[in-house]
Amino acid sequence: GENVEQHPSTLSVQEGDSAVIKCTYSDSASNYFPWYKQELGKGPQLIIDIRSNVGEKKDQRIAVTLNKTAKHFSLHITETQPEDSAVYFCAANAGGTSYGKLTFGQGTILTVHP
Amino acid sequence: SAVISQKPSRDICQRGTSLTIQCQVDSQVTMMFWYRQQPGQSLTLIATANQGSEATYESGFVIDKFPISRPNLTFSTLTVSNMSPEDSSIYLCSVGGQLTKNIQYFGAGTRLSVL
Repeated sequence: GENVEQHPSTLSVQEGDSAVIKCTYSDSASNYFPWYKQELGKGPQLIIDIRSNVGEKKDQRIAVTLNKTAKHFSLHITETQPEDSAVYFCAANAGGTSYGKLTFGQGTILTVHP
Repeated sequence: SAVISQKPSRDICQRGTSLTIQCQVDSQVTMMFWYRQQPGQSLTLIATANQGSEATYESGFVIDKFPISRPNLTFSTLTVSNMSPEDSSIYLCSVGGQLTKNIQYFGAGTRLSVL
């Protein structure tokens, strides 16, 4: 089955710096890659996603890049703010299925220091 | 997007008892999923709740321990049976399918502690 590896497990940055989180996946049939942000006591919230027919997607301070050949994708957050502090999870759909079954990475605890 | 209501939000239970968690969504969705998130860990899929048929369980999860119902396209329940302290986790409901463009949305979760 699909396996998703996520690095780093913790990331500490100063406010205003950029943060990058990387994930690799194993199933070449996967074609949908969402990123979720989970704040303490809450469920995961989708912040950005990318499908395999594009290489990059941007939404204000957040961007995701995808390299299908290398089977890795990355989350980029620019101009970080303290409210960006949370746990971030990457995911990939298993077997390229269109119905949304996801395999998650291990998570990255991002801390943004004021 | 879909709005998901999950109940209860948290509970403390005695070992050997069972707890049923409810998930209600504000629109008809094709797919409903149940995940477990152990303390400080990632999300692990327990099962896919199928409307009108038995749930599809992932490796390591069985129907006797985690029976699931899905009576219609907006509602599902997950029961955690014969609980032990190892079942202490966050249980999350999510929804997806064509109407959400296959984007998966999550409820706030049920935080379960078993004593």
